[in-house]
Amino acid sequence: DTGVSQNPRHKITKRGQNVTFRCDPISEHNRLYWYRQTLGQGPEFLTYFQNEAQLEKSRLLSDRFSAERPKGSFSTLEIQRTEQGDSAMYLCASSQQGASTDTQYFGPGTRLTVL
Amino acid sequence: GNSVTQMEGPVTLSEEAFLTINCTYTATGYPSLFWYVQYPGEGLQLLLKATKADDKGSNKGFEATYRKETTSFHLEKGSVQVSDSAVYFCALSDKNRGSTLGRLYFGRGTQLTVWP
Repeated sequence: DTGVSQNPRHKITKRGQNVTFRCDPISEHNRLYWYRQTLGQGPEFLTYFQNEAQLEKSRLLSDRFSAERPKGSFSTLEIQRTEQGDSAMYLCASSQQGASTDTQYFGPGTRLTVL
Repeated sequence: GNSVTQMEGPVTLSEEAFLTINCTYTATGYPSLFWYVQYPGEGLQLLLKATKADDKGSNKGFEATYRKETTSFHLEKGSVQVSDSAVYFCALSDKNRGSTLGRLYFGRGTQLTVWP
């Protein structure tokens, strides 16, 4: 169990550029989640996958955001035409659906700064 | 709907003091409750959890009891250490017919600073 990994850890971009983040979940976990955390706030849910199926999307996930999990393993989160308001920590978590509590384990996050 | 209300910080304590961080929730189903901790420069780590009413979660000297009658899950520790300085998040995951529904709902977090 190597834990959830995320890349890159930090990303600085200019407004209007596209960015893509990657998340590698714990290998046996079939659920993968994306959250966004801004300074002084708790994480806010964005979307989640069970295997390769995207089962739920938050209203926070505007049409500039897209997430994929093509083979049910790693996932990518893309933000198109970034805005300064997109600056935040993007967190990925994974869990094993069917376990008694479906506990989510988090990665270290990708900090996005939009200039 | 589902939501978590957490005691606002920051909380500043001396080493060996008693800690309580209040957390109350609203939920439409039968939630599982969690405390996560975020140490400086690190990701969220699960601290403890409880899956049903009257369950007590415990870890590293921290405890929290799932109180359905008061919809609360307060975090306590009898004697804090400097190394406990971190941000603590209360969270819930709703369930339906025993199966979890996916997302976590988080409180805003409570910053704890412990002085030697």
